[in-house]
Amino acid sequence: KNQVEQSPQSLIILEGKNCTLQCNYTVSPFSNLRWYKQDTGRGPVSLTIMTFSENTKSNGRYTATLDADTKQSSLHITASQLSDSASYICVVRGGSNYQLIWGAGTKLIIKP
Amino acid sequence: ETGVTQSPTHLIKTRGQQVTLRCSSQSGHNTVSWYQQALGQGPQFIFQYYREEENGRGNFPPRFSGLQFPNYSSELNVNALELDDSALYLCASSLGRGDEQFFGPGTRLTVL
Repeated sequence: KNQVEQSPQSLIILEGKNCTLQCNYTVSPFSNLRWYKQDTGRGPVSLTIMTFSENTKSNGRYTATLDADTKQSSLHITASQLSDSASYICVVRGGSNYQLIWGAGTKLIIKP
Repeated sequence: ETGVTQSPTHLIKTRGQQVTLRCSSQSGHNTVSWYQQALGQGPQFIFQYYREEENGRGNFPPRFSGLQFPNYSSELNVNALELDDSALYLCASSLGRGDEQFFGPGTRLTVL
């Protein structure tokens, strides 16, 4: 069954600290993986997209990694800011229907 | 801002009623996807419209229906509302069926 699982479910860290969010998937065949940031009550906004051949991709303080062999991805946030408080959702495109499979997200709270 | 707009922003209905949600896609985009997002969950795919025709549907009953107009704007209709239909409804537009999706701000539907 095509699934995307994220951990932790929620995370609280102090402003200025780093953190890493995890995404494991069982989607096959795999096309690409995208990380979204979603502020409360708003639509998701894309942070990065990674294809099979890409291991690392950065977008400012956000760095995503992909290990296609173990089917794992991570999103690392450096020097966190209060505005980073949001849900971070991992989405994999793939499967026989080339569909999008969404994770449940990690809720990140940054405290001053 | 993604250029995708949704209306209304908030809506309160009672069980059994019908509702219509609207979405204007980003200029040049011919594909619109609709998602339902319950509190604390990832978005669940309802259906996608490509050039005015339904192009894929998630696990939602027939009382969830849609339309796409010649200008590629779209409507989501839900009949016989149930309490569990309370959620954030997200619309996303894309250049094509498998391309990056740009999300609107969502419509928050509450069913009492």
